[in-house]
Amino acid sequence: GENVEQHPSTLSVQEGDSAVIKCTYSDSASNYFPWYKQELGKGPQLIIDIRSNVGEKKDQRIAVTLNKTAKHFSLHITETQPEDSAVYFCGGGADGLTFGKGTHLIIQP
Amino acid sequence: KAGVTQTPRYLIKTRGQQVTLSCSPISGHRSVSWYQQTPGQGLQFLFEYFSETQRNKGNFPGRFSGRQFSNSRSEMNVSTLELGDSALYLCASSSLVSSINEQFFGPGTRLTVL
Repeated sequence: GENVEQHPSTLSVQEGDSAVIKCTYSDSASNYFPWYKQELGKGPQLIIDIRSNVGEKKDQRIAVTLNKTAKHFSLHITETQPEDSAVYFCGGGADGLTFGKGTHLIIQP
Repeated sequence: KAGVTQTPRYLIKTRGQQVTLSCSPISGHRSVSWYQQTPGQGLQFLFEYFSETQRNKGNFPGRFSGRQFSNSRSEMNVSTLELGDSALYLCASSSLVSSINEQFFGPGTRLTVL
């Protein structure tokens, strides 16, 4: 089955700086890669996703890049704000999603 | 539109007991997936139901089971509870199969096994 590795487990950045979270996957058949944000006491919420026929996708301050050859994808958050503090999960799969173990993003004021 | 609702929100059980958790998906959604979330293992997929049929199953023992009703509501059951079953159980619904579409998560049921 699919195996998704996510790094780092904790990331602390200064407000206004950029944050990058990286994931690798093992199954070359995987074709859907979502990113979810989970705030304290809430369920995860989709923030952006990418399909395997696209190399990059942007939505305001958030972007995701996908390298199918290397089997890795990354989440980029620019101009970070305090409300970006949360746990972020990457996922991957073709018929059933596997999630990474999460990254706790801390935005320092 | 109302979001995904899960009941109960908190539950305390003792080892050996069984528990049933309930999930009501967003109106019109036919897919319901269940996940176990623990600090060390992150989000682990339990199973997905689509139109009352189990589509996928994660790597969990047979003590974990689920079902989906004709109105898309879903329940999961854990029998013979173990201490390691303590976790946040999340339900997510999707309009189509969950593996390739956005999933909407509920707030979860926090299960504590003593």
